Amino acid sequence: EAQVTQNPRYLITVTGKKLTVTCSQNMNHEYMSWYRQDPGLGLRQIYYSMNVEVTDKGDVPEGYKVSRKEKRNFPLILESPSPNQTSLYFCASSLSVRGSAHYGYTFGSGTRLTVV
Amino acid sequence: QKEVEQNSGPLSVPEGAIASLNCTYSDRGSQSFFWYRQYSGKSPELIMSIYSNGDKEDGRFTAQLNKASQYVSLLIRDSQPSDSATYLCAVMYGYQKVTFGTGTKLQVIP
Repeated sequence: EAQVTQNPRYLITVTGKKLTVTCSQNMNHEYMSWYRQDPGLGLRQIYYSMNVEVTDKGDVPEGYKVSRKEKRNFPLILESPSPNQTSLYFCASSLSVRGSAHYGYTFGSGTRLTVV
Repeated sequence: QKEVEQNSGPLSVPEGAIASLNCTYSDRGSQSFFWYRQYSGKSPELIMSIYSNGDKEDGRFTAQLNKASQYVSLLIRDSQPSDSATYLCAVMYGYQKVTFGTGTKLQVIP
């Protein structure tokens, strides 16, 4: 089954304790992205990746890191989480033809993160 | 920052009616436009994509794009209670960044 798998689904952590949210897709998609979703603000792009070793900032990258060492994986790293990073996070992937087209996202199931 | 605007709703329509959802965007250079449906507590799912001016139909769904007016819409014919969800408009800027609107909540009344 074609899918984007995120883990964990739920996470409660304390301020300053480094964490990683994993994301993996089995569709051989080039384009992957992370979003956070907050009430009234909608989905906001954190980082995206056009291909292996190619990443760039979205609209709200502060406090986050990503890496793309393999095509299928795109982990999101919070090195020193703060309460304002409490949110619902989605990983998404898309087929992209040499960066010239985007065919719409397949989303993961989401990770609800609470930082206390 | 590129903007995508949607009316938050809720938009209430009776079962069997046509639901009309609207979206405007700020960048004239945008090339790719999408509609996603998000049920409460679930992840968004792609229902329509449109790249050229005009209408694109898929079953009960029709996406309409007017690049001159920077306007994209989604029509849902014969609305069903199962269509009750939040509908997200998304626009791709420069073949890299994808920006979402905040969504319109649709309620289909039986």
